[in-house]
Amino acid sequence: AQSVSQHNHHVILSEAASLELGCNYSYGGTVNLFWYVQYPGQHLQLLLKYFSGDPLVKGIKGFEAEFIKSKFSFNLRKPSVQWSDTAEYFCAGYNTDKLIFGTGTRLQVFP
Amino acid sequence: DAMVIQNPRYQVTQFGKPVTLSCSQTLNHNVMYWYQQKSSQAPKLLFHYYDKDFNNEADTPDNFQSRRPNTSFCFLDIRSPGLGDAAMYLCATSREEQGGGTDTQYFGPGTRLTVL
Repeated sequence: AQSVSQHNHHVILSEAASLELGCNYSYGGTVNLFWYVQYPGQHLQLLLKYFSGDPLVKGIKGFEAEFIKSKFSFNLRKPSVQWSDTAEYFCAGYNTDKLIFGTGTRLQVFP
Repeated sequence: DAMVIQNPRYQVTQFGKPVTLSCSQTLNHNVMYWYQQKSSQAPKLLFHYYDKDFNNEADTPDNFQSRRPNTSFCFLDIRSPGLGDAAMYLCATSREEQGGGTDTQYFGPGTRLTVL
């Protein structure tokens, strides 16, 4: 089945620690991938997206993600997290006309 | 600011009592989506409108219906809510070209439905 999977369900970090959240997709063909963030009590917001071109994608708030086709991966990274990054992070990808979400990773950052 | 608006933000209904959730958008996007998101789970697509064309997901219960009277508005009707329908309902929009499915989806804040 076509799917997007996130390895980490709950990540706890201290401020200034580096972050990497895993995301893998299981389908081939044209791949359009996204990372969305959902801050507590707020709506889903786009962090970054990859459609084609440079596999290293820069997003908002210092986030970046790297598309590695050979590994079917699109991991999210941030070199130094802040308390305000506490949120739920969703990886998602289009297959034909349907956006498929991963199960999400809850990130908690402590001061 | 262009945005996706959902009303109400919180809805409480009784078991079996019909409820309607609304979504409006100022983005002038041609595609509108309804998702169901339960606690600690990924959003699950219920259906979407590509312009006026309605596309239902195969596993969406018949209890869920939708209407899109114009480009800006879309409604989610739950005919007979059960306890299992308690969830956050998300509306999203995107601008798609013919045969699309590739563009960014913009989400509303959601309506949290409680069923008593």
